[in-house]
Amino acid sequence: AQSVSQHNHHVILSEAASLELGCNYSYGGTVNLFWYVQYPGQHLQLLLKYFSGDPLVKGIKGFEAEFIKSKFSFNLRKPSVQWSDTAEYFCAVMIKAAGNKLTFGGGTRVLVKP
Amino acid sequence: GAVVSQHPSWVICKSGTSVKIECRSLDFQATTMFWYRQFPKQSLMLMATSNEGSKATYEQGVEKDKFLINHASLTLSTLTVTSAHPEDSSFYICSGDAGTGSYEQYFGPGTRLTVT
Repeated sequence: AQSVSQHNHHVILSEAASLELGCNYSYGGTVNLFWYVQYPGQHLQLLLKYFSGDPLVKGIKGFEAEFIKSKFSFNLRKPSVQWSDTAEYFCAVMIKAAGNKLTFGGGTRVLVKP
Repeated sequence: GAVVSQHPSWVICKSGTSVKIECRSLDFQATTMFWYRQFPKQSLMLMATSNEGSKATYEQGVEKDKFLINHASLTLSTLTVTSAHPEDSSFYICSGDAGTGSYEQYFGPGTRLTVT
């Protein structure tokens, strides 16, 4: 079965710092890749997704992610974070051959200090 | 984005009783709905996938007789936890897929179940 790993469980940084969250998955076939964000007390929201094409995808709120097929990675980045980016971030993988089921990584809690 | 609601947002029940959680897609038709379970400080684990009008497909290790899923319409799916026990206490989240080929799931706010 496929698995999704997020390397950092907790990240603490100051406003204006750059953010990079790692995500690796274990599956050799074709996948769709997602990053979701869960702000405190709110439901999961889609930040960005990758299906095919340009491996550098841009999402909402200044986030971007890069798909590196050879590394089975889909890391999330933001050049300059804001206090409002405090949230939990989930990487998710969808195996095309297995329908629309999502497998989530363990999540990374990000705390941005003002 | 599309909106999914869940009701109730939290529920406390006694051990041995059953509790029903509703998941509604408010502004789109969800051809497929998913039910997840999230333990404290852990990720979401898919429990089952349901398509409108057909039986749900459960993930390995999920007891279908304990977690009854009904997807009677394109806007409503229900999860019934039967004969609940304290170990069933968790955060249950549903999502809907509009089936438009975008593969995007829209998530509900979740239901916190506490079994005493």
